[in-house]
Amino acid sequence: EDKVVQSPLSLVVHEGDTVTLNCSYEVTNFRSLLWYKQEKKAPTFLFMLTSSGIEKKSGRLSSILDKKELFSILNITATQTGDSAVYLCAVEIQGAQKLVFGQGTRLTINP
Amino acid sequence: DAGVIQSPRHEVTEMGQEVTLRCKPISGHNSLFWYRQTMMRGLELLIYFNNNVPIDDSGMPEDRFSAKMPNASFSTLKIQPSEPRDSAVYFCASREQGGEPQHFGDGTRLSIL
Repeated sequence: EDKVVQSPLSLVVHEGDTVTLNCSYEVTNFRSLLWYKQEKKAPTFLFMLTSSGIEKKSGRLSSILDKKELFSILNITATQTGDSAVYLCAVEIQGAQKLVFGQGTRLTINP
Repeated sequence: DAGVIQSPRHEVTEMGQEVTLRCKPISGHNSLFWYRQTMMRGLELLIYFNNNVPIDDSGMPEDRFSAKMPNASFSTLKIQPSEPRDSAVYFCASREQGGEPQHFGDGTRLSIL
């Protein structure tokens, strides 16, 4: 069975801290890994990763994929209260087009 | 650009009633996905369409659930009859083609009393 596991499930830090969110997966036929941020409504797209070792960066957020060890990390530096959200990791299965989601990491940034 | 549009935003109804959720995908997107999100099970794919054709409905929980996509700009998810355990947030997502990220609507929060 295809599986995506995120850790930690919940994280509380102070503004300005750096955080690392983890995502590991076991799937039959990997195509890509995606990170989404979910605040109150729709999950919003952050990154799509298909190749190992190539860092994707957007402002204070960055992510990297390791296809040998089957995991990805999402880093957020100099966190702000607006970064508080649930971060979802999902894997797309080759040929099936569907996304398998992890449980999410609930990140809380305290001022 | 308009994103994925879902309606209604909230629905509260009594068990046994028919519920219809609606979705308008982003113009030009060829694939449409229906998801359900609960605290216990997270985000689960129910069904998806390519070019208006249902491809995989293995996530649809029971025969009480049905989905249609009569044209490229509209899809419905219907529950008949509804039950309290159907209470969840239902998301619709679309994407342009394989290999591109899915974009989500704001969801419909469904409560069955």
